[in-house]
Amino acid sequence: DQQVKQNSPSLSVQEGRISILNCDYTNSMFDYFLWYKKYPAEGPTFLISISSIKDKNEDGRFTVFLNKSAKHLSLHIVPSQPGDSAVYFCAASASGGSNYKLTFGKGTLLTVNP
Amino acid sequence: NAGVTQTPKFQVLKTGQSMTLQCAQDMNHEYMSWYRQDPGMGLRLIHYSVGAGITDQGEVPNGYNVSRSTTEDFPLRLLSAAPSQTSVYFCASRMDNSYEQYFGPGTRLTVT
Repeated sequence: DQQVKQNSPSLSVQEGRISILNCDYTNSMFDYFLWYKKYPAEGPTFLISISSIKDKNEDGRFTVFLNKSAKHLSLHIVPSQPGDSAVYFCAASASGGSNYKLTFGKGTLLTVNP
Repeated sequence: NAGVTQTPKFQVLKTGQSMTLQCAQDMNHEYMSWYRQDPGMGLRLIHYSVGAGITDQGEVPNGYNVSRSTTEDFPLRLLSAAPSQTSVYFCASRMDNSYEQYFGPGTRLTVT
C-alpha cells in the first residue's frame, strides 16, 4: 500500500518556464512534508518542507503548496533552470511517537531543456 | 565537516557472501537510518537507530542486520547476500526532533 504517490515518473520543461511536480498521500496522520532532490550517483539532498499548519512555503525559486483536504502537495520551480534537472522525491512524516520517520514517493525525473 | 560518509561506493558480491556497508557521520546526530533505492520504488527504510545501542526495523529489514555502538557509526550487514539485495543503499542521519535527514552518497551493490 503506497502511502505517498508521485504519479508522474517524468516531466520535461523548457528553461525559464514553470515546473510543477505533484505528490498525493493517503495517510491522514501525515503532518509534515518534504521535497528532496537527487542527482545521479549522489545522495538525496533536502530542498524544502512544509508543515500541515501551513498551505504554502516559499524558498527562492521553490514553492511548496499543501492542500490538506485533497491530501495533495505540489512543488513549483520558477523559473526552471537546466541545473534543476534531477529526480525529485516527495516525503511525508507523522509526528507524535513515529520517530520522525519519512515515507518516500517513487520520485519524478525532471528534465529542464535549454 | 564531512557530513555522512559511506564506504564502499561500489561492491559486487556472489550469492551467499556476507559483507558490511559502512556509514559514519560527524554531525553528532542521534538518529541514523539505512534506505535502499530500487528502480521505480523510491527510498525504502531498512533499519534505523535513535541513538547508540538502540536500533529498530524499518519497512524492509529482512536479510539485514545493524548495530549502533557509537553515535558516529551505523554499519549495515548483509549476512548471506541474495540477488534481490541488488540495489543502491543510502545512509542518512538527522538531529533529534528534526524531520530533515542528511544523506550519504550511496553504495551501489550488485549480487550475482
